[in-house]
Amino acid sequence: ESVLTQSPGTLSLSPGERATLSCRASESVNSAYLAWYQQKPGQAPRLLIYGTSTRATGIPDRFSGSGFGTEFTLTISRLEPEDFAVYYCQRYGSSPRYTFGQGTKLEIK
Amino acid sequence: QVQLHQWGAGLLKPSETLSLTCAVSGGSFSGYYWNWVRQPPGKGLEWIGDINHTGYTNYNPSLKSRVTISMDTSKNQFSLNLSSVTAADTAVYYCARGQIGDFDSWGQGLLVTVSS
Repeated sequence: ESVLTQSPGTLSLSPGERATLSCRASESVNSAYLAWYQQKPGQAPRLLIYGTSTRATGIPDRFSGSGFGTEFTLTISRLEPEDFAVYYCQRYGSSPRYTFGQGTKLEIK
Repeated sequence: QVQLHQWGAGLLKPSETLSLTCAVSGGSFSGYYWNWVRQPPGKGLEWIGDINHTGYTNYNPSLKSRVTISMDTSKNQFSLNLSSVTAADTAVYYCARGQIGDFDSWGQGLLVTVSS
């Protein structure tokens, strides 16, 4: 089973700063099938990035994704107050078809 | 704008069967995969399984023996049954629309608690 490990577990930053979130896979992931989600308390996850680097509809351009193989990154260039949330990476593959990372909590410093 | 609305029993006893339904409105049922994902309180996301418009299903091997996902295309609905529940199945359950690789629309989530 392919495992996704996100780091750090918690990231404390201030509005206006740059956030870099990591997602490492135990097996190589097809870049077309790596996605990122944002989840706020009491809400469903929201798709941010799919295909490693394509922003979903309505997602601001301060969010960007990159990576290849087993190392993927979500970058938020300048944090806005509404960006503080939990972020999950997700990969599509086989057995199981989808797995998620354990999440990175982005909190206000 | 597609919307997913889900419902079902929120409190179950151990050994009972969890049954949830998700209704899809504002979009086509065809051409997508319809997923169930769960999230135990304070924890991360776990994919349960999916079904496509032809009725083909995929399940997480960790739950496969207890899960059935079905659909009613005439009503644009799909359903989740999870048998023999235990406290470990307590979670918020989400339905979600996806194409291969990601889930672009989600239901509002439903907390299902298993307790004697």
